[in-house]
Amino acid sequence: EAGVAQSPRYKIIEKRQSVAFWCNPISGHATLYWYQQILGQGPKLLIQFQNNGVVDDSQLPKDRFSAERLKGVDSTLKIQPAKLEDSAVYLCASSLGVAGGAQETQYFGPGTRLLVL
Amino acid sequence: AQKITQTQPGMFVQEKEAVTLDCTYDTSDPSYGLFWYKQPSSGEMIFLIYQGSYDQQNATEGRYSLNFQKARKSANLVISASQLGDSAMYFCAMREATLSGYALNFGKGTSLLVTP
Repeated sequence: EAGVAQSPRYKIIEKRQSVAFWCNPISGHATLYWYQQILGQGPKLLIQFQNNGVVDDSQLPKDRFSAERLKGVDSTLKIQPAKLEDSAVYLCASSLGVAGGAQETQYFGPGTRLLVL
Repeated sequence: AQKITQTQPGMFVQEKEAVTLDCTYDTSDPSYGLFWYKQPSSGEMIFLIYQGSYDQQNATEGRYSLNFQKARKSANLVISASQLGDSAMYFCAMREATLSGYALNFGKGTSLLVTP
């Protein structure tokens, strides 16, 4: 079974530029998550989708970050314009999202390392 | 308030020895899940083991076991017979209900170095 796919793996941009990340979840997984992981910290949830609807985007900086999940499968996360403090690893994860609940395991992709200069 | 606390920023262990990585959590919800993930230098978060709040027995997965002490709100990861490939960051996480669904909160991680 293929895992969560993400691209690109690395991205270097200058501040005020735009960048987009792509994620393809595990086949059949209804729930998709985007996390931001700053160096030396654990991942922090940015946004959660259930199929193509947003479940939680309370920690997404909506003035510069946006995300969509058209057709309930692939997702893109965009930053526009980027700031220096956006330098981080952006992780995508997915889970079945059928039973839900506290026991549901999230499976992560390899992440995109973003460096904003 | 920090929901997941990992007090060991870094740990060393010799190959073939066992090592315990500490994790304490804070929640008032009776239903929650505890997870451990491994993050090697490549960056991917690899799921290791899960413990449910209602589980009576400690979870085990191969060389990984979880020492779950509910009253003390601790969920320590035990790695037996350490291997060089176990060198990585290890994150403890808790999944609990929120107003909008379920959220997974991570600790700051523990860096494990396995030496020959």
